[in-house]
Amino acid sequence: DAKTTQPTSMDCAEGRAANLPCNHSTISGNEYVYWYRQIHSQGPQYIIHGLKNNETNEMASLIITEDRKSSTLILPHATLRDTAVYYCIATNQAGTALIFGKGTTLSVSS
Amino acid sequence: NAGVTQTPKFRILKIGQSMTLQCTQDMNHNYMYWYRQDPGMGLKLIYYSVGAGITDKGEVPNGYNVSRSTTEDFPLRLELAAPSQTSVYFCASRPGRNSGNTIYFGEGSWLTVV
Repeated sequence: DAKTTQPTSMDCAEGRAANLPCNHSTISGNEYVYWYRQIHSQGPQYIIHGLKNNETNEMASLIITEDRKSSTLILPHATLRDTAVYYCIATNQAGTALIFGKGTTLSVSS
Repeated sequence: NAGVTQTPKFRILKIGQSMTLQCTQDMNHNYMYWYRQDPGMGLKLIYYSVGAGITDKGEVPNGYNVSRSTTEDFPLRLELAAPSQTSVYFCASRPGRNSGNTIYFGEGSWLTVV
């Protein structure tokens, strides 16, 4: 079934780009890859999502490999407020269930 | 447009008691989800529904029941509460598969079983 794999933790210096990888080799062919983050125990906050092409919004960029088996979330200029747990979310093969990865704890330091 | 609304926000239960966590969305979304998050851990899928009258088990369904009689509501029932069910519960919704729309989350329900 659906599975995502993310590094447990990453560090980033303030002002530098943070690149967070995710493997999602079981993703359904027509389903999107979603990225959310969570600060403490607040509800997950939407960052970005994509299907095939690279995506960019005011928060981040998403690079999806051509085979769609992995993606990278890029925070171009990380700030202290970007310290959070970042989740890559994929669906099961049927495209119905949404499965969270274990998340990457990003620590941004000055 | 309130999005996804969960009630109650906080609740303390005694072992063996039962309760229902309510989840309502006003966006006419077909897909709804219940997750639990234990301290320091990620979100685990309990149950999900792809439409009224249709529910399915997620990763950790034991000890819970759900129903989906309407598109708007997706209550989560805890029968015979146990300390292991102490957790934060999140409800979520999205229009459907391949929708390209974001997933909407409720603000969470903090449950303590003592």
